[in-house]
Amino acid sequence: DARVTQTPRHKVTEMGQEVTMRCQPILGHNTVFWYRQTMMQGLELLAYFRNRAPLDDSGMPKDRFSAEMPDATLATLKIQPSEPRDSAVYFCASGPTGGNSPLHFGNGTRLTVT
Amino acid sequence: KQEVTQIPAALSVPEGENLVLNCSFTDSAIYNLQWFRQDPGKGLTSLLLIQSSQREQTSGRLNASLDKSSGRSTLYIAASQPGDSATYLCAVRADTGFQKLVFGTGTRLLVSP
Repeated sequence: DARVTQTPRHKVTEMGQEVTMRCQPILGHNTVFWYRQTMMQGLELLAYFRNRAPLDDSGMPKDRFSAEMPDATLATLKIQPSEPRDSAVYFCASGPTGGNSPLHFGNGTRLTVT
Repeated sequence: KQEVTQIPAALSVPEGENLVLNCSFTDSAIYNLQWFRQDPGKGLTSLLLIQSSQREQTSGRLNASLDKSSGRSTLYIAASQPGDSATYLCAVRADTGFQKLVFGTGTRLLVSP
């Protein structure tokens, strides 16, 4: 059963440290999304890739966040430097082109910045 | 800017009841609407996807309807079971631009035995 894999599942770090989250999309899916989920804001779109090209990262704080897809099997989300307000669950989702099929979500990375 | 609202925020029912979850959206220019389920500590699982040209979709005990012109969707769960306890989220995909998927804040459902 194909699934989106995210690592690490949990990350605790101190303010100011760099954090890297990784996502392996489902093989053959060429759209990848990064979402952040908090109790206050719910699910917020951070970045959207199609065929490894970033199409929309307007939801991402550019000064500290960066998202890349070095190849079709890996998407990364980096925060440098991290701040306590970045504490949240970060989800990666993938889907085929066209938008007619449901997105598949990973189990998320729970980030705590102290 | 698309805004998606879900009512109620939380719902508690005894096992066996039929129930309806509501989702409303402000911009009717949507490509499709999806209902997801999220269990604690887990990612989201897609339940149903309704294309903008469709009125409803069914899967087992779940039925989702879409009234695009009025900006509403409902998720009907028949004969609820304790295993249905989870948070249910609706999300709309824009018809234009980069087809963003915008989520509602969810309905937390508890079905007691």
